[in-house]
Amino acid sequence: GAGVSQSPRYKVAKRGQDVALRCDPISGHVSLFWYQQALGQGPEFLTYFQNEAQLDKSGLPSDRFFAERPEGSVSTLKIQRTQQEDSAVYLCASSWILAGGRSFETQYFGPGTRLLVL
Amino acid sequence: AQSVTQLGSHVSVSEGALVLLRCNYSSSVPPYLFWYVQYPNQGLQLLLKYTTGATLVKGINGFEAEFKKSETSFHLTKPSAHMSDAAEYFCAVSLFGGAQKLVFGQGTRLTINP
Repeated sequence: GAGVSQSPRYKVAKRGQDVALRCDPISGHVSLFWYQQALGQGPEFLTYFQNEAQLDKSGLPSDRFFAERPEGSVSTLKIQRTQQEDSAVYLCASSWILAGGRSFETQYFGPGTRLLVL
Repeated sequence: AQSVTQLGSHVSVSEGALVLLRCNYSSSVPPYLFWYVQYPNQGLQLLLKYTTGATLVKGINGFEAEFKKSETSFHLTKPSAHMSDAAEYFCAVSLFGGAQKLVFGQGTRLTINP
């Protein structure tokens, strides 16, 4: 594909609802990252996958957040029982880099999913 | 732990004037450094990056940045601003190796006055 795609682009949820956000990385990219960007802030790391393995989930704010990448390509970020503080733009990025690699490949970002929890 | 500080949440310059966006980082080991630009309702686009080698890095759209280890800075400059440069700019740091997750500053909104 031409780039990283994310869907939906916009999501409005009622407090307490579950949501699922999808990321389609660039074909063949090994690494996939999720970031959360609150209004007026810089993106903050949530979690990282190398192929299908979730190697770092230290940024997930609570156990209501869950991410998966079962076949090492498409990834889904799920938020259960959404709260108003979950309102943010969720960005996905992919790259060639392997964990522990000696070179850094550019992370390519998708357009994001803007989540509004009412 | 790494951190990034961008001085000035808003910067306004006239078209044709010098653009200077400031970024200071904190890291216990030499980091990789990045500048990303974000246009409204779009994802982040890499402007330039410093990994190793030459400390003056040239990027897209006429931007450049200089890594100054002694000052722990990575300021972004462009000699002559263009209206199309109006956007949000983020400085980010990552450590060599590991998952190479990015740690971002809070961003600087650049406005260009005609």
